[in-house]
Amino acid sequence: GDSVTQMEGPVTLSEEAFLTINCTYTATGYPSLFWYVQYPGEGLQLLLKATKADDKGSNKGFEATYRKETTSFHLEKGSVQVSDSAVYFCALGETSGSRLTFGEGTQLTVNP
Amino acid sequence: DTAVSQTPKYLVTQMGNDKSIKCEQNLGHDTMYWYKQDSKKFLKIMFSYNNKELIINETVPNRFSPKSPDKAHLNLHINSLELGDSAVYFCASSQDLGRMAFFGQGTRLTVV
Repeated sequence: GDSVTQMEGPVTLSEEAFLTINCTYTATGYPSLFWYVQYPGEGLQLLLKATKADDKGSNKGFEATYRKETTSFHLEKGSVQVSDSAVYFCALGETSGSRLTFGEGTQLTVNP
Repeated sequence: DTAVSQTPKYLVTQMGNDKSIKCEQNLGHDTMYWYKQDSKKFLKIMFSYNNKELIINETVPNRFSPKSPDKAHLNLHINSLELGDSAVYFCASSQDLGRMAFFGQGTRLTVV
């Protein structure tokens, strides 16, 4: 079945550092890819998405590019802020359309 | 107006009790889901309904029973609660199966 693998956390950075959270996937067909963010004590919010190969999703300074050749959807931000501290989930929308499959989540802590 | 709302937000109950969590979405979506998030933040799908019809039923104990009275509601009833049921339960909805999902704030269930 389809699956998503994220880099293990937790990740701790200083403010204004560069962020990369790796995400790779295994899927048949052409899935949609998503990044969700969960701030402390809250539900998940969609951060960005990409629906086909070479699409770049972006929001709030975060970016991720759908790379079919490497089956990856890595999340990047050039300069993180303390307010970016959260858990980040990579997710895959199965081609069969039956569900969203989530990665394990990566805890990000940004220190001032 | 909250797009996906769950009640209650917190639920503390004793082992053996029966409890329900309610979920409502006002987005006009056709598909609703229940996810369980464990203490390590891992998200696992439990159920999904499309137009009031059960589409996904993962390996979940029979003590868990979803009920969808209409497209806008998907309630989760749990019988004979066990300590291992303690987790955060998230309701979500999407326009189509496997597509971008909107999440509720979560219900933190603690079984004592």
